[in-house]
Amino acid sequence: SQQGEEDPQALSIQEGENATMNCSYKTSINNLQWYRQNSGRGLVHLILIRSNEREKHSGRLRVTLDTSKKSSSLLITASRAADTASYFCATGGISSGSARQLTFGSGTQLTVLP
Amino acid sequence: KAGVTQTPRYLIKTRGQQVTLSCSPISGHRSVSWYQQTPGQGLQFLFEYFSETQRNKGNFPGRFSGRQFSNSRSEMNVSTLELGDSALYLCASSGGSGNTIYFGEGSWLTVV
Repeated sequence: SQQGEEDPQALSIQEGENATMNCSYKTSINNLQWYRQNSGRGLVHLILIRSNEREKHSGRLRVTLDTSKKSSSLLITASRAADTASYFCATGGISSGSARQLTFGSGTQLTVLP
Repeated sequence: KAGVTQTPRYLIKTRGQQVTLSCSPISGHRSVSWYQQTPGQGLQFLFEYFSETQRNKGNFPGRFSGRQFSNSRSEMNVSTLELGDSALYLCASSGGSGNTIYFGEGSWLTVV
């Protein structure tokens, strides 16, 4: 079963715009990771944020985490056509018994139009 | 540093057959986990191995099994294949003190 939901399920924007995706989860976590998946391919790790962190940056990516609301957001700034992919959040945590057992959200399909 | 390598990338099997998928983790990583991805159920955890021992198992029937070798390479096996086993099977590895988990390109299994 999925840990939570991602919102929106699909997002279509123009190149150069910012894209924001949200993720909610249900149980206590050790960390939250964001991944990108191009069609038919494996998962590419984007960023990990620990439960005691509130915000993290990596290049054009900005991730926030609000453990009180059990939610996270991924912001991609100045999007490019190459950012077109599905984006997943995944939590590793206390309830699973292992920080290395990930529970995934349902994903957001991002389409960046040139 | 080479990433997570999975073989084969694509395969087609017949109902009732069995299949073995292979995964080589990132060098130095001792934890290997497996996930199944389907359109209906999304990404679901199968099991995790660490130092040749299964540490966690997801909610899958006993037809799904795995093992890990002393060099950390891992295999997963699915016996008595069903049509619903058609999926992308992803292997992931992690190691050291961090919890970042890296995935391979996956093995596409089609059961006909």
